[in-house]
Amino acid sequence: AQSVAQPEDQVNVAEGNPLTVKCTYSVSGNPYLFWYVQYPNRGLQFLLKYITGDNLVKGSYGFEAEFNKSQTSFHLKKPSALVSDSALYFCAVRVNDYKLSFGAGTTVTVRA
Amino acid sequence: NAGVTQTPKFRVLKTGQSMTLLCAQDMNHEYMYWYRQDPGMGLRLIHYSVGEGTTAKGEVPDGYNVSRLKKQNFLLGLESAAPSQTSVYFCASSSGHTGRRPNQPQHFGDGTRLSIL
Repeated sequence: AQSVAQPEDQVNVAEGNPLTVKCTYSVSGNPYLFWYVQYPNRGLQFLLKYITGDNLVKGSYGFEAEFNKSQTSFHLKKPSALVSDSALYFCAVRVNDYKLSFGAGTTVTVRA
Repeated sequence: NAGVTQTPKFRVLKTGQSMTLLCAQDMNHEYMYWYRQDPGMGLRLIHYSVGEGTTAKGEVPDGYNVSRLKKQNFLLGLESAAPSQTSVYFCASSSGHTGRRPNQPQHFGDGTRLSIL
């Protein structure tokens, strides 16, 4: 079954430092992976998706994700974090033509 | 550019009451979804629809019913609310996956916060 795991419940970084949010996946066939962000009292917003063949995917708000097939990972990264990046981040994998399976989420706190 | 709109935004119910949550999307998407979000559990799929007039069960369908009479609307009903249904409910929509566009994201509304006393 297609699934993702986010091993960290929380990530804390100082503003200006690099931010990494981890995601590992388990799929059969091609991995169709996504990252979403959720700000307080809002719905999930699409950040980026994996495109077959691109190991570094660029997305919204300066985020990027690194796909590593050998480690079955799709980590979200930002070179210089902002306080406004504090939010809940979800990794997701496409299960079939219709459905996604989401990780449990990682809360990111960026301190000034 | 509204995207996905959910009504109401907040609601408090008593156990046993019924209600309907409305989701509307203006992106002409074929697929629509209802999720619930509970602390530490991510998002769990309740029901989904792959087109007007069709619905299917997700991971946690018990206690809920849905209808998709129009392409742009997807309704979630609670016939007899229970405290275990206290949650934040999200609707989402997406276009279909094709060979040229195989990885379409889902677009979410801002949620309905439902408390059942």
